[in-house]
Amino acid sequence: DTGVSQDPRHKITKRGQNVTFRCDPISEHNRLYWYRQTLGQGPEFLTYFQNEAQLEKSRLLSDRFSAERPKGSFSTLEIQRTEQGDSAMYLCASSSGGMPYEQYFGPGTRLTVT
Amino acid sequence: QKEVEQNSGPLSVPEGAIASLNCTYSDRGSQSFFWYRQYSGKSPELIMFIYSNGDKEDGRFTAQLNKASQYVSLLIRDSQPSDSATYLCAVIKWAGNMLTFGGGTRLMVKP
Repeated sequence: DTGVSQDPRHKITKRGQNVTFRCDPISEHNRLYWYRQTLGQGPEFLTYFQNEAQLEKSRLLSDRFSAERPKGSFSTLEIQRTEQGDSAMYLCASSSGGMPYEQYFGPGTRLTVT
Repeated sequence: QKEVEQNSGPLSVPEGAIASLNCTYSDRGSQSFFWYRQYSGKSPELIMFIYSNGDKEDGRFTAQLNKASQYVSLLIRDSQPSDSATYLCAVIKWAGNMLTFGGGTRLMVKP
């Protein structure tokens, strides 16, 4: 399968714990995006990498959130001191760049904070 | 005003009919427009993109773009029960590469 992959698919954690998610983009794609989606809403942009450089971060991304893409391949998203409001589907997408900038999504990681 | 607006639905159509899904956007600088299909509990799946005024057809799907009216639509011909899903409209602004999504329209195709 050459699509975007994400791990884990589901994560249940207690409030205050730290969690880390991984995303592996489509192999030839140099752009990688993280989004968050809550029930009944469209996905909201969190952050974006071109190769290993983090080029943009949403104001939604509090200091508890950090993302890395150390070698320009896979990426990790870490949430520290999780809160119940962090419960959502975390989606990763990748793109090759250039018009029309289409992005392909992975299966997502569903986070539940109890 | 939301940047991308869609009627949340549900839009109910009989099997075999044409389903028409609409989306408006507020930023005139938006460059590319996308339709994603999302089944319950799954991630969004790209089904169409368009960036020039007019129509673009792909199988049973037709995307329509009118930049003057800031309006994008998706037509699904010969709707099937398997088309029942939430359809998300998304745009990319000229200044950045993130997708801005509408809230989605839930489509129900009844046998």
